[in-house]
Amino acid sequence: AQSVTQPDIHITVSEGASLELRCNYSYGATPYLFWYVQSPGQGLQLLLKYFSGDTLVQGIKGFEAEFKRSQSSFNLRKPSVHWSDAAEYFCAVGTLIQGAQKLVFGQGTRLTINP
Amino acid sequence: GAGVSQSPSNKVTEKGKDVELRCDPISGHTALYWYRQSLGQGLEFLIYFQGNSAPDKSGLPSDRFSAERTGGSVSTLTIQRTQQEDSAVYLCASSLGREGEQYFGPGTRLTVT
Repeated sequence: AQSVTQPDIHITVSEGASLELRCNYSYGATPYLFWYVQSPGQGLQLLLKYFSGDTLVQGIKGFEAEFKRSQSSFNLRKPSVHWSDAAEYFCAVGTLIQGAQKLVFGQGTRLTINP
Repeated sequence: GAGVSQSPSNKVTEKGKDVELRCDPISGHTALYWYRQSLGQGLEFLIYFQGNSAPDKSGLPSDRFSAERTGGSVSTLTIQRTQQEDSAVYLCASSLGREGEQYFGPGTRLTVT
């Protein structure tokens, strides 16, 4: 069965510092991978996705992620965080089921930004 | 344009009562999904619809949970005889087919007392 592990439950970084959020997945075939962000009281917003091709994908809000098949990882990065990036981040793997795509999420990483 | 909307935004109900949660997907989106977000279980897939049919209901936690979609649009998730462990945020998402981005609604926070 597919699974996603986000090893860090909570991360604190200073504003302006670089950020890397870790994600490891378990999936038999080539995965569809996603990062979503959830601000307090809000729904989930897609930051970026990987389906195939270039293993370094760019997303919104200055985020990027790199797919590494050998490590079964899809880590999210940002060179310089802003206070508005404080939120919960979810990595997900998508599995195609008939006419739809089921998302399996990791447990999430809560990001706190120090001023 | 309008995004995915869900109603109510908050629902408090007594144990044993039935509740209905509604999802209005983005117009034209053929696929609709329900997920549940709870402290203990994280984000779980519940069910999806392709058009009006739900080919896979295996994610529903128990037979007290059911869902329908009519006219290829609005969907209702019904929980019968609610239990305290049903307390969670229920999220709905829609997409343009299986490889389209899933757009999520703001969720319905259900509290069972």
